[in-house]
Amino acid sequence: GAGVSQSPSNKVTEKGKDVELRCDPISGHTALYWYRQSLGQGLEFLIYFQGNSAPDKSGLPSDRFSAERTGGSVSTLTIQRTQQEDSAVYLCASSYTAGVGETQYFGPGTRLLVL
Amino acid sequence: AQTVTQSQPEMSVQEAETVTLSCTYDTSESDYYLFWYKQPPSRQMILVIRQEAYKQQNATENRFSVNFQKAAKSFSLKISDSQLGDAAMYFCAYRSAGGAQKLVFGQGTRLTINP
Repeated sequence: GAGVSQSPSNKVTEKGKDVELRCDPISGHTALYWYRQSLGQGLEFLIYFQGNSAPDKSGLPSDRFSAERTGGSVSTLTIQRTQQEDSAVYLCASSYTAGVGETQYFGPGTRLLVL
Repeated sequence: AQTVTQSQPEMSVQEAETVTLSCTYDTSESDYYLFWYKQPPSRQMILVIRQEAYKQQNATENRFSVNFQKAAKSFSLKISDSQLGDAAMYFCAYRSAGGAQKLVFGQGTRLTINP
């Protein structure tokens, strides 16, 4: 596609429910990143995928968070048993490779509100 | 761990004037990349400009330029001839040249353009 797309744009859920956030990277991009943007913590790295390599999960805040990337393209970020502190904008980015000079292109994000 | 600090939560400038946004960072690495991203109300992060640490020459992109002071670990963004469309949140970001592929962001500066 022309850019990184994310769905849904907004999600409201009740505390304790599970949510799935989707990211479609730019076609041909092999690297995919998830970040979280919240009022208290700013922009934080969550997880990174590069091709068929094991993902870098070092930024996931708890074991309630998981992500997968199917077929090297679409990625889903899952939050189980959501808490109010999970409320944030979840941003996805992709780059052509994971090379150090590569620019990360961001999607419009999913705004998650946990009531 | 690397940290990025933006000391100006908010800035304002008159249309057509010049404004400088500040950014400092802390790292023990000698090779890295620095970025300025713009986030308008649409939430989509847009790359404004990037700087490779090994390059002494400051990067420029049309009305946007940086003042990169490696010894001082400073990376300010200058916007010349400010336009209404420049109004947005601006984030400074750091990326290591080796190892971690994630971007480390500052807290952001909200820029307002006064007509």
